[in-house]
Amino acid sequence: DTEVTQTPKHLVMGMTNKKSLKCEQHMGHRAMYWYKQKAKKPPELMFVYSYEKLSINESVPSRFSPECPNSSLLNLHLHALQPEDSALYLCASSQLLEDTQYFGPGTRLTVL
Amino acid sequence: DQQVKQNSPSLSVQEGRISILNCDYTNSMFDYFLWYKKYPAEGPTFLISISSIKDKNEDGRFTVFLNKSAKHLSLHIVPSQPGDSAVYFCAARGDHNTGNQFYFGTGTSLTVIP
Repeated sequence: DTEVTQTPKHLVMGMTNKKSLKCEQHMGHRAMYWYKQKAKKPPELMFVYSYEKLSINESVPSRFSPECPNSSLLNLHLHALQPEDSALYLCASSQLLEDTQYFGPGTRLTVL
Repeated sequence: DQQVKQNSPSLSVQEGRISILNCDYTNSMFDYFLWYKKYPAEGPTFLISISSIKDKNEDGRFTVFLNKSAKHLSLHIVPSQPGDSAVYFCAARGDHNTGNQFYFGTGTSLTVIP
């Protein structure tokens, strides 16, 4: 089973809202990732967790706050977003940091 | 600065013929390369990979070729099927200095015409 699940599938929020994106995998992977993807662009790495510890933070604004409650779950807390943050947010996981990454279906986020 | 490039944004191929998707990279320290396939409104799906110690890896209709001296890899799909129509991303893994981060190309949209 190489499934990574993400909820919600779609999210529309205002600039003053607080919302969270969720990602789950049950493959026993110890590395998990958040990517942001705009149309016709490659996925951009945002955060990397390895063994539930934040490993890489690619200079992402503080209005995005990741959380890894356990080895299967990864959250992305959103607060005071801007319209330009509208994108497809992808979660991925891999056995270890250097291994093949498996992606979830993504959350399509629209900020009004 | 884009370290992995896919210079063809789109490609159309007749069903049954060969599809060749190309990818170029700039960093000679990349040691592992992957191809992902992405349908609209879905996340990328891992397709095939190749280590830098090899020059070819085959999986069914999909073959990836790596030319390290040219810093070039390609994905061959033979025979192409309409269900192969999707966006294909190549990705390359950096070394431990980058935290083994993966760098993605901009994608090539493949259309297989029935």
